[in-house]
Amino acid sequence: QITLKESGPTLVKPTQTLTLTCTFSGFSLSTSGVGVGWIRQPPGKALEWLALIYWDDDKRYSPSLKSRLTITKDTSENQVVLTMTNMDPVDTATYYCAHSRYSIFDYWGQGTLVTVSS
Amino acid sequence: EIVLTQSPGTLSLSPGERATLSCRASQSVGSSYLAWYQQKPGQAPRLLIYGASSRATGIPDRFSGSGSGTDFTLTISRLEPEDFAVYYCHQYGSSPWTFGQGTKVEIK
Repeated sequence: QITLKESGPTLVKPTQTLTLTCTFSGFSLSTSGVGVGWIRQPPGKALEWLALIYWDDDKRYSPSLKSRLTITKDTSENQVVLTMTNMDPVDTATYYCAHSRYSIFDYWGQGTLVTVSS
Repeated sequence: EIVLTQSPGTLSLSPGERATLSCRASQSVGSSYLAWYQQKPGQAPRLLIYGASSRATGIPDRFSGSGSGTDFTLTISRLEPEDFAVYYCHQYGSSPWTFGQGTKVEIK
């Protein structure tokens, strides 16, 4: 049974760096074809893909946010970490991590709402 | 970047009716790497369809996907009360991965 759970701060101040952790179980991030991605959703708006890391440590980023994002994995701890620098109120959103099988997001975490406000 | 445009924005239908949702891509989606998700309020998206027409595990056969190239369709043959939700299309054929803006299926 594949499960994922996001954790991190619920409130960050503008200009701060956000660090989110995705802790997962039921799969290994060393298995060929497997990845973990991050997707966000501002309140009442559509989904936006942010980043994806593959089993072989290949990393992909949204071009519009690439300069602010870093994604890393800890295979032994079953965790993936996303950092986003220079946070702004427009970054207020629910952030989801998701299991990826050949780039398909088939299992999602419950999401964590991050509010950016001073 | 492939832009996905979904139509209509809102679909008002009654239980038992057929729902047809459209997703148009700004350029061809390679190898039909197109997925559909269902999202209910306060919940994470749920994968319904991948590869344009393959149902994900546990998805009822009233959900079907079709299309290729730039035009894709999600069809719900007979709406059940639990099907009223927002639906997103998503292309994963080329980076950056992108989502459509969503179609809300509401009770008429």
